[in-house]
Amino acid sequence: EVQLVESGGGLVKPGGSLRLSCAASGFTFSTYSMNWVRQAPGKGLEWVSSISSSSSYIYYADSVKGRFTISRDNAKNSLYLQMNSLRAEDTAVYYCARGLKATPSPRDWFDPWGQGTLVTVSS
Amino acid sequence: QSVLTQPPSASGTPGQRVTISCSGSSSNIGSNTVNWYQQLPGTAPKLLIYSNNQRPSGVPDRVSGSKSGTSASLAISGLQSEDEADYYCAAWDDSLNGYVFGTGTKVTVL
Repeated sequence: EVQLVESGGGLVKPGGSLRLSCAASGFTFSTYSMNWVRQAPGKGLEWVSSISSSSSYIYYADSVKGRFTISRDNAKNSLYLQMNSLRAEDTAVYYCARGLKATPSPRDWFDPWGQGTLVTVSS
Repeated sequence: QSVLTQPPSASGTPGQRVTISCSGSSSNIGSNTVNWYQQLPGTAPKLLIYSNNQRPSGVPDRVSGSKSGTSASLAISGLQSEDEADYYCAAWDDSLNGYVFGTGTKVTVL
């Protein structure tokens, strides 16, 4: 069974940092692109970042560019999101989701999704 | 900052047909494929339609998607109580060089 499990969320003060992890199982992790998508409380979905299977291609939403860093460890079947200079507006449930192929593409879709991990930025 | 616009809500009685629109532009829907996601209350999103009109295995054929120009639509016929959820369209945006989601539509079964 394909499974994605996020962890690392929690309460952090504005300006602080947090590192999210996503553990993948049930598929050959090293052959798929991966993505982070977030959802603020009571709001819609917002794409955050994507990374290709070999980490050669990385994309970020403008809202997090320069503050967040996506990475992966194919040996550990894990995806990460390092979040620095956190702001109140970064408060959200963060989901990891698998892409379709090795490289993110305009024809891609996200499937499956993990259950999400909540990040709360507040003083 | 969603660039894909959806109606905030849609509703119908059991058995009826509901249609959700998704309006974009030439840089996203106009030049790329559209995917739809269903989010049941309190759960993670799930892929419902990919590549404009393709259903993943397990999605019933009463769910369908279409695209024309810079707009897309999701239709659910034979509405059931289990269809109560939030629905989001999504596409790659060539100008933003990233994925964009729609504003989301809450479907209520009356």
